[in-house]
Amino acid sequence: DAKTTQPPSMDCAEGRAANLPCNHSTISGNEYVYWYRQIHSQGPQYIIHGLKNNETNEMASLIITEDRKSSTLILPHATLRDTAVYYCIALTNFGNEKLTFGTGTRLTIIP
Amino acid sequence: EPEVTQTPSHQVTQMGQEVILRCVPISNHLYFYWYRQILGQKVEFLVSFYNNEISEKSEIFDDQFSVERPDGSNFTLKIRSTKLEDSAMYFCASSVDRGNTQYFGPGTRLTVL
Repeated sequence: DAKTTQPPSMDCAEGRAANLPCNHSTISGNEYVYWYRQIHSQGPQYIIHGLKNNETNEMASLIITEDRKSSTLILPHATLRDTAVYYCIALTNFGNEKLTFGTGTRLTIIP
Repeated sequence: EPEVTQTPSHQVTQMGQEVILRCVPISNHLYFYWYRQILGQKVEFLVSFYNNEISEKSEIFDDQFSVERPDGSNFTLKIRSTKLEDSAMYFCASSVDRGNTQYFGPGTRLTVL
């Protein structure tokens, strides 16, 4: 699976949009971009994933650049409960089953 | 909304003892996983399981570890003779099929004394 690079930490004001970047310049054509988050020591929580089109669900939006070398997770109206470590993971949907977690981005929502 | 559940939430054991961590995956899921996270470190893959056999395992998953699906709902991780370094959070996950989204349980905190 392609290596991903994320900033170690970010702050965002409560109520504002949180934009979390991820670089995956070596991603291959069959690798999806998955986002998970981990609140304190809880189990990782699935947020969203995409291949090349932008995706939106009730939690977040995922914007993937046209060349697929980077993406941005957007939490449109951040709340204090969104304070967590966010992981961007590249994963092919056939053959490789395991999720490889990096160190992620520690997002802190400031009141 | 269906969830992965894990029991117990916290397990304390003496070094050398056997422990069994239990998970109930989401009911229509076919693939099951165990991950662990040592305090302050990354979440690490241990093993994946499908059709009553191990599909993939990491170097961490040595002979001290075993997994089993003893009935139609439970999925267990057994550590035969625990070591101090086995102290960690253990997360179970499940997915509908191979390569699909994995959903995680809340974890079991294992403390080996």
